[in-house]
Amino acid sequence: EAQVTQNPRYLITVTGKKLTVTCSQNMNHEYMSWYRQDPGLGLRQIYYSMNVEVTDKGDVPEGYKVSRKEKRNFPLILESPSPNQTSLYFCASSTAGGSYNEQFFGPGTRLTVL
Amino acid sequence: AQSVSQHNHHVILSEAASLELGCNYSYGGTVNLFWYVQYPGQHLQLLLKYFSGDPLVKGIKGFEAEFIKSKFSFNLRKPSVQWSDTAEYFCAVVRSSSNTGKLIFGQGTTLQVKP
Repeated sequence: EAQVTQNPRYLITVTGKKLTVTCSQNMNHEYMSWYRQDPGLGLRQIYYSMNVEVTDKGDVPEGYKVSRKEKRNFPLILESPSPNQTSLYFCASSTAGGSYNEQFFGPGTRLTVL
Repeated sequence: AQSVSQHNHHVILSEAASLELGCNYSYGGTVNLFWYVQYPGQHLQLLLKYFSGDPLVKGIKGFEAEFIKSKFSFNLRKPSVQWSDTAEYFCAVVRSSSNTGKLIFGQGTTLQVKP
């Protein structure tokens, strides 16, 4: 089944403790992206990747890192999480970048930083 | 900067009522438009999309949307809602010329359908 998977689905952590949220897709998509969803703000893009080893900042990149060493994986790294990073995170992928390709979303990761 | 505004934040309807959710965007150039739905506890799914051509587009589950360029609007409609339509709905826009595919989302509208 074609899908985007994220792990973990739920995570409670404390300020400053490094964490990684994994994202994997099995559709051989070139483009991958991370969004965060906050009440009243919709989804905002954190980082995106056009292909392996090609990443760039979205609208809200502060406090996050990403890497794209393999086509299928696009982990989101919070090196020193803070409470304002408590949010619902979605990974997405599409065939390629550009405006005409449907993005497929993962199930989401709900992160709480205490 | 591009922005998307969904005016209805929370809508409550009874089954069989008609639905219209508003979406307006601010961008002077050509855009591609999307409506996504997020059922409780699930990921976002594409309902419908508009790139060009007939401004009235039909999507899955009986939804449709009309693009009115002069009003910068892309409102979502359904003639008769069902309890299973209870979900959060997001309008999203991307510049047609974008090579990054960055979607700009509205704030979302929570739809609650009472049986």
